[in-house]
This record gives sequence, structure tokens and C-alpha cells, in this order.
Amino acid sequence: DVKVTQSSRYLVKRTGEKVFLECVQDMDHENMFWYRQDPGLGLRLIYFSYDVKMKEKGDIPEGYSVSREKKERFSLILESASTNQTSMYLCASSPAGTSYNSPLHFGNGTRLTVT
Amino acid sequence: AQSVTQPDIHITVSEGASLELRCNYSYGATPYLFWYVQSPGQGLQLLLKYFSGDTLVQGIKGFEAEFKRSQSSFNLRKPSVHWSDAAEYFCAVGVAGNQFYFGTGTSLTVIP
Repeated sequence: DVKVTQSSRYLVKRTGEKVFLECVQDMDHENMFWYRQDPGLGLRLIYFSYDVKMKEKGDIPEGYSVSREKKERFSLILESASTNQTSMYLCASSPAGTSYNSPLHFGNGTRLTVT
Repeated sequence: AQSVTQPDIHITVSEGASLELRCNYSYGATPYLFWYVQSPGQGLQLLLKYFSGDTLVQGIKGFEAEFKRSQSSFNLRKPSVHWSDAAEYFCAVGVAGNQFYFGTGTSLTVIP
């Protein structure tokens, strides 16, 4: 089974801190994604990556950056955390190919609170 | 532009009753359609997917979904709901470039 591991289940950070959310997958997937999940808004794509050192902006990239130095690891960075970034963050991965043949595999999420 | 609408924010059903969760999509081409389930404190798990062929697709945990092109719908059904089905359900459309767009989710409560 594919395993997508997010390093923290819960995080509490202060406004202005630099925050790193880490995600590791163990199935050699090419694609990795960061989503943000908020009540009533569903999942919104922040950033995704098709390969090492590649990144693409999603629908809501403002205030975030990402890093993919190794194929298995995709990090989400909040350069200066703000209270409106309090949310559940979900990492996902998928193999290369069409989205039909490459559905997403999700981690369990990191619930981030910024105070 | 592509979009996914789940009109029901929350649904309550009795255990053993049938279930239908609604999903409507907007996409210019033939869509890849998915249903995911999220149990409390967990990530999303794929229930089923559709691209072409038989418009009724079977998934895991006894779920099925029917694609209706004329209605741009992909509704999820289960004949008899179990208490363990209580969760949040997301419909999604997969588009070119391996991106996915999700609906806002439907929260299911199952009462004994």
C-alpha cells in the first residue's frame, strides 16, 4: 500500500513564525500535492510538483512556498505564518500518467493553528 | 472553467437505510470523476472512479456511483448504510495535467 506520511498531526505556531510542513511518500510517485482543507470550502490546491525541483502554483499559492529536493519528500513552507493560515493541510501523491490512472493518495493531514 | 458542486452540506440517515449523495460537475471535455471518503482524523481514501464505459461503477465498501452525462452528475449511492460509513464524502474531477478539483464535501451522519 502507498504510504504518505505527514510529519505532524497537530502544530501550533505563532504569527510571524516560519513553518515547515513535511510530507514523505514511499511509492516512488512522480507527482506530489499540497492541499488546504477548510469547512465549507473543500480542498483547495496550494502547490504541486511533477518532479524533483519542479513546482507549480495551484489555486491559492499566496503566502506559501514549497521545496522538492528529493523525489519522496515535498515540503510546504509558510514564510511568515498568519492567523488566516490556520487550517488542515493535506499532502497527496500520485504516479505519472493521466489523472484517471493516477488517483491521489493522501496523508492523514496536519492541523495547523496559528495564534 | 471546471467546478464540482455538492449541494448537500450535511445528510443524516438511519442505519440500514439507503443513501444517495449528489455531485454535479462542470467541465468542457469528458471528465475523470472520483469519489473520496474522509473518516474523522484521516486523509482521503478513494472510493471509486469513472472515465468511460459502463455508467454505473462499483467501488469499495459497497458504494456505487452513476454517471449521467445529460445531467452532468455523478451521484454516489449505497443500498444499506452502516454506522461506520459516517464520514465526509468528496466528489472530484480530474483534468488534464493530472490536476484534481474537489467539491466542498458532504458530511454524513448515521443514526442507530
